[in-house]
Amino acid sequence: GAGVSQSPSNKVTEKGKDVELRCDPISGHTALYWYRQSLGQGLEFLIYFQGNSAPDKSGLPSDRFSAERTGGSVSTLTIQRTQQEDSAVYLCASSLGGELQFFGPGTRLTVL
Amino acid sequence: AQSVTQLDSHVSVSEGTPVLLRCNYSSSYSPSLFWYVQHPNKGLQLLLKYTSAATLVKGINGFEAEFKKSETSFHLTKPSAHMSDAAEYFCVVLYNTDKLIFGTGTRLQVFP
Repeated sequence: GAGVSQSPSNKVTEKGKDVELRCDPISGHTALYWYRQSLGQGLEFLIYFQGNSAPDKSGLPSDRFSAERTGGSVSTLTIQRTQQEDSAVYLCASSLGGELQFFGPGTRLTVL
Repeated sequence: AQSVTQLDSHVSVSEGTPVLLRCNYSSSYSPSLFWYVQHPNKGLQLLLKYTSAATLVKGINGFEAEFKKSETSFHLTKPSAHMSDAAEYFCVVLYNTDKLIFGTGTRLQVFP
């Protein structure tokens, strides 16, 4: 499709397990962002990839969170040893490197 | 540092009446500001953006916003609400040329 896609759309996991969330950006977009939207809160920036530059990880809440972007396209957000407070909707966005970001539908993560 | 404050967490209006969603920003320089909308179980969609070309910005679905530097405000308005406008609305400021900082959101309810 033409938009940003994310998978899975929903993920239920048990506390302590690792999860991987995937994002397919719009083809040709050089910038990719991950955000977290917790219940009752706004979107929280997590990490930002721009081309071949080192990612901006300043928003990652702990070292249990990591992300990679392979080949400048698909990105995977990994959460290790999940905790209940990790439950949220994880949103991915991509852009051509400017201010206009296009968002995917998100992955709803529930940690039991 | 840049930030945005959405003054109302919930707004309720009757169909056909005006909508006002309030947003105040804090920025050390002339900001780029946005309004995004998030319908239930759907991704974020850009409504409109301000980038200093004109203080009154028209967006999609009949929404518009006015940038008022003296009041550091960027309120979103629509003359006549429609049932389909019911959603969560986010005021957003661009930070450091490539990061978006989101407000906590305003949930708009539209009653028949």
